[in-house]
Amino acid sequence: GAGVSQTPSNKVTEKGKYVELRCDPISGHTALYWYRQSLGQGPEFLIYFQGTGAADDSGLPNDRFFAVRPEGSVSTLKIQRTERGDSAVYLCASSLVGDPSYNEQFFGPGTRLTVL
Amino acid sequence: DQQVKQNSPSLSVQEGRISILNCDYTNSMFDYFLWYKKYPAEGPTFLISISSIKDKNEDGRFTVFLNKSAKHLSLHIVPSQPGDSAVYFCAASSGGYQKVTFGTGTKLQVIP
Repeated sequence: GAGVSQTPSNKVTEKGKYVELRCDPISGHTALYWYRQSLGQGPEFLIYFQGTGAADDSGLPNDRFFAVRPEGSVSTLKIQRTERGDSAVYLCASSLVGDPSYNEQFFGPGTRLTVL
Repeated sequence: DQQVKQNSPSLSVQEGRISILNCDYTNSMFDYFLWYKKYPAEGPTFLISISSIKDKNEDGRFTVFLNKSAKHLSLHIVPSQPGDSAVYFCAASSGGYQKVTFGTGTKLQVIP
């Protein structure tokens, strides 16, 4: 069975541009998470979906960041007016249900975003 | 505000010896703790977890110890193997809540 996949694996863009990062979770996983990992840091929570709805978006740094999961499977993280400080590896994870006591999060390989 | 801290950025251990990775947390609401392992260019993979109602959980060569009064946990790997060389992240959550807070990681190198 396929794991979590993320596309593209690398994205280079210019400051001010718009980017979309895609995540395909493990089939059947209802919970989906986005994290951002900057150099030398651990993954930083951005947003969590349970099904189609964002159950917690408290980690999104500002209104330039937005994420959707319209059919409860694939998710897209959207970043408007990119800034150099947005450069990081964006990780997606999925789990069966939303309880960390019972279900580990499975991570994708990440998308490395570089804003020039 | 770093709620989960891994104060050792790196650790080198001889093959066959014990590796001990440490983690401290400040949020007393955390009640579930996890360790993830990460190889370069890959996402983190779950290793082992522990609930706050326990003080020890063991899985093969990996054991996690939790000291709630000290807000400290540690991961023991015995015996260490070269394939264990990776970055290890400590993470925590509270009340079944999905927001998992990660530490900054410790890079473990196991020397053959």
